[in-house]
Amino acid sequence: EADIYQTPRYLVIGTGKKITLECSQTMGHDKMYWYQQDPGMELHLIHYSYGVNSTEKGDLSSESTVSRIRTEHFPLTLESARPSHTSQYLCASSELLTGVEEQYFGPGTRLTVT
Amino acid sequence: GQQVMQIPQYQHVQEGEDFTTYCNSSTTLSNIQWYKQRPGGHPVFLIQLVKSGEVKKQKRLTFQFGEAKKNSSLHITATQTTDVGTYFCAGPAGAGSYQLTFGKGTKLSVIP
Repeated sequence: EADIYQTPRYLVIGTGKKITLECSQTMGHDKMYWYQQDPGMELHLIHYSYGVNSTEKGDLSSESTVSRIRTEHFPLTLESARPSHTSQYLCASSELLTGVEEQYFGPGTRLTVT
Repeated sequence: GQQVMQIPQYQHVQEGEDFTTYCNSSTTLSNIQWYKQRPGGHPVFLIQLVKSGEVKKQKRLTFQFGEAKKNSSLHITATQTTDVGTYFCAGPAGAGSYQLTFGKGTKLSVIP
């Protein structure tokens, strides 16, 4: 069982609110990722980090921002939520072990912006 | 940029029938990974293939990596209701990259 946690699991919030989605892992992995996934659809990488103080934008343009001040923590912030942000947000982490870079996913946060 | 295409998008099978999903990349891949996502769940790593022509088995699941390292397949023999979910292939986003580009996934439904 992977030790990667996301809170909240579900969030319904009004337009214009600022929100932070939390992601923590206890595996000591350097690499962490945020994906956006609409129900039944593909995963889109929106942010990633190779370590503390390292953050990069992914393939999918996102109005969110991330920070990586501690290895285990990779929060995602939306300054002003909009209905178009309604989606599931998945956090993942990985480490190269014996030639395999397996990504471990958290349970996800289902965000609804009204 | 790197594109990973996966077919079919949906597959409905009778329990006991076989199932195959195919993954094709626009570029040669250093490796390919497969993940399974149960309904309402999160993706879970199944396997990584690295070598040209590689075949790996996990019980009823058989994974293949093409000779040119641009395509891969996942075959499930005698499907069970526990196989229900979406199967994603994923390849490195670029040479030497740790980021993954995921295919759109194949959603498998198994009719009991």
